[in-house]
Amino acid sequence: GAVVSQHPSWVICKSGTSVKIECRSLDFQATTMFWYRQFPKQSLMLMATSNEGSKATYEQGVEKDKFLINHASLTLSTLTVTSAHPEDSSFYICSVNRGTEAFFGQGTRLTVV
Amino acid sequence: AQSVTQLDSQVPVFEEAPVELRCNYSSSVSVYLFWYVQYPNQGLQLLLKYLSGSTLVKGINGFEAEFNKSQTSFHLRKPSVHISDTAEYFCAVSDGGGGNKLTFGTGTQLKVEL
Repeated sequence: GAVVSQHPSWVICKSGTSVKIECRSLDFQATTMFWYRQFPKQSLMLMATSNEGSKATYEQGVEKDKFLINHASLTLSTLTVTSAHPEDSSFYICSVNRGTEAFFGQGTRLTVV
Repeated sequence: AQSVTQLDSQVPVFEEAPVELRCNYSSSVSVYLFWYVQYPNQGLQLLLKYLSGSTLVKGINGFEAEFNKSQTSFHLRKPSVHISDTAEYFCAVSDGGGGNKLTFGTGTQLKVEL
């Protein structure tokens, strides 16, 4: 399998500030990583596909200027929530595909106050 | 486009009883099917997957699922549940292309009671 580590596990930030979430593939070089968002008691919604060395591909309805994704190396992708607002509070999860299987990070609980 | 329907948002069951969590999908192409489990404030863990071959798939923790192409279903079953099985279960589908992006169902909360 693949080991995926996400950091931080939880973060509380003030409205208007930016927050960076890291997703690391610890034992596998990933040219592609995926970022999901999960609201309480709801399913995971794909936000964007992070591509190493190129621009991320965003799903319809996701603001690329709001959710900045950087995939600078084969083992690290970052999601930055810019000018966060309370409605951005959610659980963010990244994943890495190895073959036909997806491996998920442990998620980041973001609370904007 | 693909979609996944999990009709049951919550399934209460007593310990040691059998359980079935339902999943139906729609897709215009052949798909890969997955079941994931999520414990509170954690990521997802793969229970089992169907790629091809035998329609009965066995996974971890005693779970199994059967792919039924004519009914476009992939129901998850366990003959005897434990308290530790209490969690959220997600069915997902991938068409195998485009980096294997997953489309998830809305999830089923399995609550095992004594």
